[in-house]
Amino acid sequence: EAQVTQNPRYLITVTGKKLTVTCSQNMNHEYMSWYRQDPGLGLRQIYYSMNVEVTDKGDVPEGYKVSRKEKRNFPLILESPSPNQTSLYFCASSPPGGTEAFFGQGTRLTVV
Amino acid sequence: GENVEQHPSTLSVQEGDSAVIKCTYSDSASNYFPWYKQELGKGPQLIIDIRSNVGEKKDQRIAVTLNKTAKHFSLHITETQPEDSAVYFCAATYSGGGADGLTFGKGTHLIIQP
Repeated sequence: EAQVTQNPRYLITVTGKKLTVTCSQNMNHEYMSWYRQDPGLGLRQIYYSMNVEVTDKGDVPEGYKVSRKEKRNFPLILESPSPNQTSLYFCASSPPGGTEAFFGQGTRLTVV
Repeated sequence: GENVEQHPSTLSVQEGDSAVIKCTYSDSASNYFPWYKQELGKGPQLIIDIRSNVGEKKDQRIAVTLNKTAKHFSLHITETQPEDSAVYFCAATYSGGGADGLTFGKGTHLIIQP
C-alpha cells in the first residue's frame, strides 16, 4: 500500500530535549516536505527536499532541522524544542511534475 | 511569495444542499490549484485539482472553478452528505505542484447538518 509513515503519532516532551520525528515514504517520490498545522493558521511549510541531499527552507524553518540522506526518509529534528513548537506536524511526499501530494497521518507534539 | 486567502472559515449546510468554498491567490505565476480534505485525526487528502489552462473541472458531486483574471478559485459540493463533514484546504503553487511548493489557505470547517 502506497503511504507516508510518520512516527511517533503523539509525543510529549520537555523544553530543550532534542527530538526527531521520522517520516518514510514507499512511493519512490523525489519531493518531500514538512508542515505544521495550528488552529486558525492552516498548514505552513517548514522545510522541503527536492531530492537526496537537497533541502530548502519553507515559510517557518526557525528551530527545525531536516536531512535527506536516503530518498525514502525525511526526518524532522528539533534540537532544542520550545513550547511555541507545540503543534500538529505533517510530512508529505509527491513525484515531480505537479501531481498529488500524499500526507502522513500526523504527529501531535506537545512541548512543556 | 504566494498568499492564499480562504473563506469562510466555518460553513454549516443542511444535508442535501450545496456548499461553496472560495479562495483567492496573489501570485499570477501560480498554475496548479489543488483542494484537500482533512478528516478528524487524519492527514489531508487530495480530492480534486485544477490547472491554469482549464476553467472548470468536475468529479461526481465535486467541482472546482478557476478565474485566472480575478485570481480566485472555488470548490463546489452538491447534494452534501454527512461524510462530507471535514476541514477543506485550498492551495496554490507556481512549481510543478509537488510537496515543495504548496501554499495553503487557512482551511474551512464544513459541517453537514442532518
